[in-house]
Amino acid sequence: QKEVEQNSGPLSVPEGAIASLNCTYSDRGSQSFFWYRQYSGKSPELIMFIYSNGDKEDGRFTAQLNKASQYVSLLIRDSQPSDSATYLCAVIPPDDYKLSFGAGTTVTVRA
Amino acid sequence: DAGITQSPRYKITETGRQVTLMCHQTWSHSYMFWYRQDLGHGLRLIYYSAAADITDKGEVPDGYVVSRSKTENFPLTLESATRSQTSVYFCASTDRDTQYFGPGTRLTVL
Repeated sequence: QKEVEQNSGPLSVPEGAIASLNCTYSDRGSQSFFWYRQYSGKSPELIMFIYSNGDKEDGRFTAQLNKASQYVSLLIRDSQPSDSATYLCAVIPPDDYKLSFGAGTTVTVRA
Repeated sequence: DAGITQSPRYKITETGRQVTLMCHQTWSHSYMFWYRQDLGHGLRLIYYSAAADITDKGEVPDGYVVSRSKTENFPLTLESATRSQTSVYFCASTDRDTQYFGPGTRLTVL
């Protein structure tokens, strides 16, 4: 089993809709969770991090963490064409500082 | 400029040649990483370093060598480049949790 798994894409949403991205992780003791956005031909850019159970909101982005279910998600509200990118979920396993990345989910926002 | 930089941004080389990719960060982060990114494989960790003179292998280290004589620099060397090392290479650094990525080097081995 891969350490970090993301729902397979691509995900296509109309402009203005909510894009929902899911990620599960295998190591129950993981404490730090990240969402990176990567535009085509660019490097990954951190958009959200979350450490505690519950929701964390930043503008149009909301990260949700459920450690009991080993599940972290990212919601993009009022999706814009500029949100079209690949979103990478990343987790730091316990007693470590290296990130484990999911394979990414490509999102396309249709105008 | 503050941040993390990589050079060169693009490189074309031939099989068997030695190639060094440079990574420089201005934050004095302790931890630095090298990844490669290929279609179908996502980001894969090549080598990482917890501090100057401390390096360790990641998931795909074969064919690569790293050094870290100074905290701010973390060069990656392909000792004898192969076509399978054609990829996009990203350097990253972190103080403890949040990793910041450099702009990447697109390497083509002919």
